[in-house]
Amino acid sequence: GENVEQHPSTLSVQEGDSAVIKCTYSDSASNYFPWYKQELGKRPQLIIDIRSNVGEKKDQRIAVTLNKTAKHFSLHITETQPEDSAVYFCAAIPGSSNTGKLIFGQGTTLQVKP
Amino acid sequence: GAGVSQSPSNKVTEKGKDVELRCDPISGHTALYWYRQSLGQGLEFLIYFQGNSAPDKSGLPSDRFSAERTGGSVSTLTIQRTQQEDSAVYLCASSLTGRNSPLHFGNGTRLTVT
Repeated sequence: GENVEQHPSTLSVQEGDSAVIKCTYSDSASNYFPWYKQELGKRPQLIIDIRSNVGEKKDQRIAVTLNKTAKHFSLHITETQPEDSAVYFCAAIPGSSNTGKLIFGQGTTLQVKP
Repeated sequence: GAGVSQSPSNKVTEKGKDVELRCDPISGHTALYWYRQSLGQGLEFLIYFQGNSAPDKSGLPSDRFSAERTGGSVSTLTIQRTQQEDSAVYLCASSLTGRNSPLHFGNGTRLTVT
């Protein structure tokens, strides 16, 4: 089945710096890759997603890149702010089965220091 | 409109008792998911419902866990003979179409087994 690996597990940056979180997946048929942000004590919320027919997608300070050949995708946050501090999860849907279940990475705790 | 609603928000139970957790998805969403999140951990897939199709139960950790979705709407996750290792936050999510559409999470039920 699909396996999603996420690195690093923790990341600390200074306010204004960039942050990059990387994920790899195992199912080459996977074609949908969302990212979720979970603030402390709150529910996960979608921040950006990418489908396999594009290599990059941007939304203001957030961008996601996808390399289907290497089976990895990354989240890039520029000009980080303290409110970006949260746990970030990448995910993928197994493409080679009929299920729509979303498999999540282990999460990255991002701390943005003022 | 209303988001995904879960009840109860907190549940404390004694080891060996059965518990039922309820999820009301967003109206019109055909897909419903249950995940488990242990303290400081990632999102562990439990079960996925899509329309009238047979559910994907591949994530249920043991036969003590079961879930139903009645009338394509409300879902109940049942844990029989609870164990201390069942203590976690149980998150429900729904999505419009299942595959490749964003998940909307509820606030979760925090289950504590004493």
